[in-house]
This record gives sequence, C-alpha cells and structure tokens, in this order.
Amino acid sequence: QQQVKQSPQSLIVQKGGISIINCAYENTAFDYFPWYQQFPGKGPALLIAIRPDVSEKKEGRFTISFNKSAKQFSLHIMDSQPGDSATYFCAASVIYNQGGKLIFGQGTELSVKP
Amino acid sequence: SQTIHQWPATLVQPVGSPLSLECTVEGTSNPNLYWYRQAAGRGLQLLFYSVGIGQISSEVPQNLSASRPQDRQFILSSKKLLLSDSGFYLCAWRGRGVSNTGELFFGEGSRLTVL
Repeated sequence: QQQVKQSPQSLIVQKGGISIINCAYENTAFDYFPWYQQFPGKGPALLIAIRPDVSEKKEGRFTISFNKSAKQFSLHIMDSQPGDSATYFCAASVIYNQGGKLIFGQGTELSVKP
Repeated sequence: SQTIHQWPATLVQPVGSPLSLECTVEGTSNPNLYWYRQAAGRGLQLLFYSVGIGQISSEVPQNLSASRPQDRQFILSSKKLLLSDSGFYLCAWRGRGVSNTGELFFGEGSRLTVL
C-alpha cells in the first residue's frame, strides 16, 4: 500500500513536443505529491509539487494533473527541450506523519531529441 | 541558506570491509534526515529516517545501520559490506514546524562500489 507506480520507464520525445509521465498510488493518506528531476551523478531536485485539494498545478512549462478519485497523478512537460533530458521521479508522502518520508516511483528516463 | 554535504563522493571497497558515509546539514536546526539508496537504473529506496538525535527508523532490514549523533549529522554504516550494497547513496533533509513544506532537499550523493 506504500508503493507508488510510475510509467513509462523511458520516454523519447522530439524537441517542442509534450512529455507525459504517469503515477498511481494506493495509500489514501498521502497528502503531498512532488515530482523530482535528477541529472546523471546528481541528487534529485524538486521540480513541482501538488496537494490533494487541487486538481492541477502549473509552473512554467511543467504541469501536474491530479485525480484523487482515481488515485493517479501525472506530469506534463510542454514544449520539451533537450535540457529537459533527465530522470523524473514521482513521489508521495504523508507530510505530518512517519517523518514525512517520501515514497518514490521507479523513475522515467526522458530523452528529448533536437 | 541551507546546505547539505555528503562525503565521500566516491568510494570503492572490498567485500567484507566496513563502511561509513557522513552527511551534515547547515543553516537549519532540528531537521528530519533521510538516507536513500539508488541502485543502477532504479528508483530511490528509503533506508532510514530520523526525526531527532538518536531516533532512527529503519525501513528495510539489511546489512546497514544509521546513527544521528548530533542534530545535523547523519551517518550510514556497515560492519561488513556485501556486493549488493553497491549503489548511489543519497542523504536528504526536511524542515520541521513552519519550515516544513513537505519538500526533501537532497545532497549530491555518495557512489559506493563494492568489489
């Protein structure tokens, strides 16, 4: 019940295209859903996050869509750029319980072709 | 501003040798601290987390242990390394109270290769 399932494992998108990564969770107690971006040899860094009281959050070219009833959320990267090529992780946590530990999905390796 | 330091950045150790990875956080007090491991091409697996000095929660039974001897210091250890301990180890911190946004801040990682 603590798992977060992420798909696809890898994604190739042309420059200017839309990248879409999906995640699903089981634990209805989760109340914080971030997306992290990781470049090779580096630690992950927060890209964008959403709480379950909203269905969508947009920051620049990055949008999270959240479906509470389906227990799913997704990351959309509009106008994808070669610099977006990285590994993306979804995650979930209960902010004020169990130390706020983040449970991560398995990651999606995104490659944006010029 | 807050910073997190991990060392060593790279480590090559023989099977059966001990391990000590250190993590310190600056610019904040009483943070929650976390150790994650990332195997090659895999996701981030939570190993341990700590909500205070001497308070350690273990997520995965294994060959590793963690300690928090000071408020902003988190140490990952092993008495005898196994081949399966190879991976990229990441330390992270999170604020508490009004500083808690849910976000975890990660260090640059320590890459361990066990031969």
